[in-house]
Amino acid sequence: SQELEQSPQSLIVQEGKNLTINCTSSKTLYGLYWYKQKYGEGLIFLMMLQKGGEEKSHEKITAKLDEKKQQSSLHITASQPSHAGIYLCGAAFNAGNNRKLIWGLGTSLAVNP
Amino acid sequence: GAVVSQHPSWVICKSGTSVKIECRSLDFQATTMFWYRQFPKQSLMLMATSNEGSKATYEQGVEKDKFLINHASLTLSTLTVTSAHPEDSSFYICSASIAGGFHNEQFFGPGTRLTVL
Repeated sequence: SQELEQSPQSLIVQEGKNLTINCTSSKTLYGLYWYKQKYGEGLIFLMMLQKGGEEKSHEKITAKLDEKKQQSSLHITASQPSHAGIYLCGAAFNAGNNRKLIWGLGTSLAVNP
Repeated sequence: GAVVSQHPSWVICKSGTSVKIECRSLDFQATTMFWYRQFPKQSLMLMATSNEGSKATYEQGVEKDKFLINHASLTLSTLTVTSAHPEDSSFYICSASIAGGFHNEQFFGPGTRLTVL
């Protein structure tokens, strides 16, 4: 089974609507990373969360990590067509220096104008 | 800052030939680089972790003799797909972690699309 579950798998919203993407782990996270990818391109770093209860915002995107450090949500307010893409969460399960991340399967977001 | 480049961005080759993909950190030193493979509409599949000056660590199921990785310097890692076959056609992405950095943040290259005929 997947160590990191992302939901929903895909999402279509009308421009201006809010949306939430979730990333759930069966184990305690050392760090949780959110990236965005346009199809056929590399990944763009959005945010990293490490502390339980932590919340970060960048423009209209807000990400939170729950107190137990097992679930993160990414919330987009007043979505725009530029928000369309694939959102991936990546998790570090330990503080070691191998820097390896475990990835969710991604959420494909389409925003209709 | 923290820019990673990949070359080439796309390549088409004949079955049986070898293809080399370069991954460079342009404005930082990367102790660790990662090579991923991505199929259409799927997530990233980690192939191997490459540390400068040492042998790469391959994930289970990835043939190290087929996917040769060399990390000769702190700014360059190469992935060579040897004797490529159509099933090796995919999108290959590299990422790099900053040397001495505390967090696991990875900076990604733009990817290389490989098509094997």
